[in-house]
Amino acid sequence: DTGVSQDPRHKITKRGQNVTFRCDPISEHNRLYWYRQTLGQGPEFLTYFQNEAQLEKSRLLSDRFSAERPKGSFSTLEIQRTEQGDSAMYLCASSKQGRQETQYFGPGTRLLVL
Amino acid sequence: QQPVQSPQAVILREGEDAVINCSSSKALYSVHWYRQKHGEAPVFLMILLKGGEQKGHEKISASFNEKKQQSSLYLTASQLSYSGTYFCGTPISNDMRFGAGTRLTVKP
Repeated sequence: DTGVSQDPRHKITKRGQNVTFRCDPISEHNRLYWYRQTLGQGPEFLTYFQNEAQLEKSRLLSDRFSAERPKGSFSTLEIQRTEQGDSAMYLCASSKQGRQETQYFGPGTRLLVL
Repeated sequence: QQPVQSPQAVILREGEDAVINCSSSKALYSVHWYRQKHGEAPVFLMILLKGGEQKGHEKISASFNEKKQQSSLYLTASQLSYSGTYFCGTPISNDMRFGAGTRLTVKP
């Protein structure tokens, strides 16, 4: 049973560059979530997919952020023109829709913008 | 609106007990508890559904009171491996809102 995987695990970039992260969910899970977590805080919701449809996006999410899940399997999160404030851990989680729906998290991608 | 957790941090000796609370200003239908160790992803512990149920995982149990809009996590006879940050999560619409976390340190 493979869990949620994310790639890369670490990314260092210069301010103004674009970065893209990938998330591979648990295979039978139809829902996929992206979160951002900064030190000392809980995960903060960014966006959510059900199959290939992006159903919700946080109002806090800048237009520089975009996410896709083209075939309802893996997902990518792109940040354009990165800023130092984007430095954080980016977590992906997946779940199977249902009454006791539980989100399982990937190991995260730690982003540092210099 | 994210749930509020208390306390923010707690330090225990091995074998001692602790309680972590999670409360919400909005009606709750379920509460999810996670534990996160430093530098790692949150790991699911348990989910509690509407109905005031209690659940257990190892020597960790939890209760959920939907009328009071709160949940409590009970850690009994704590072990060193229990150290980490505990988060409660409450589903709001299609996303999960997490509390700021409770940092638990268990010392030998």
